[in-house]
Amino acid sequence: DAGITQSPRHKVTETGTPVTLRCHQTENHRYMYWYRQDPGHGLRLIHYSYGVKDTDKGEVSDGYSVSRSKTEDFLLTLESATSSQTSVYFCAISESFREYQETQYFGPGTRLLVL
Amino acid sequence: AQTVTQSQPEMSVQEAETVTLSCTYDTSESDYYLFWYKQPPSRQMILVIRQEAYKQQNATENRFSVNFQKAAKSFSLKISDSQLGDAAMYFCAYRSIGDMRFGAGTRLTVKP
Repeated sequence: DAGITQSPRHKVTETGTPVTLRCHQTENHRYMYWYRQDPGHGLRLIHYSYGVKDTDKGEVSDGYSVSRSKTEDFLLTLESATSSQTSVYFCAISESFREYQETQYFGPGTRLLVL
Repeated sequence: AQTVTQSQPEMSVQEAETVTLSCTYDTSESDYYLFWYKQPPSRQMILVIRQEAYKQQNATENRFSVNFQKAAKSFSLKISDSQLGDAAMYFCAYRSIGDMRFGAGTRLTVKP
């Protein structure tokens, strides 16, 4: 299994509060991704990173920001959480420069409930 | 935008039998990759099999194989000799440069 951990694994928060989710990898992979999973939608890409300090938006980026100050860590921040951001969040990594050819490996997921 | 469609929200199979999960996709790209992921109740996303679009030969991994029809933009997953441990959500995924899309998933039940 790829060495990917996510923290916290579960979180309950209130509307309007900031929330930061952390993804940590021990594989030294260049690419890291954040997805959200909702019923009927499969997984949708929020943001991804192609190197330290290099990030780009995905399909559903509104309301989210990311940061990557080290190769091994990719942070997802909800500046002001809303109930529509209640979801399961997955981090993923992939290895090479030709990133679309590479398999993505997923972390265990974080279940976030916004009340 | 590319789309991935899994038309079977739920499927059921008897243990030891064979089941096929359907997936279609829409793209104007010629170079892309297709994947099937399995998500058991633990919620961990596990890669089952991948297919490069430029390869005509269908990918196979033990009991799992695909039927890749590029012209029809179809990518079905066949599970042979189904086992109780195969019960899970299965997601079809499409990937090209700068794009990654998942289908909505098919829930597979395996009956003993």
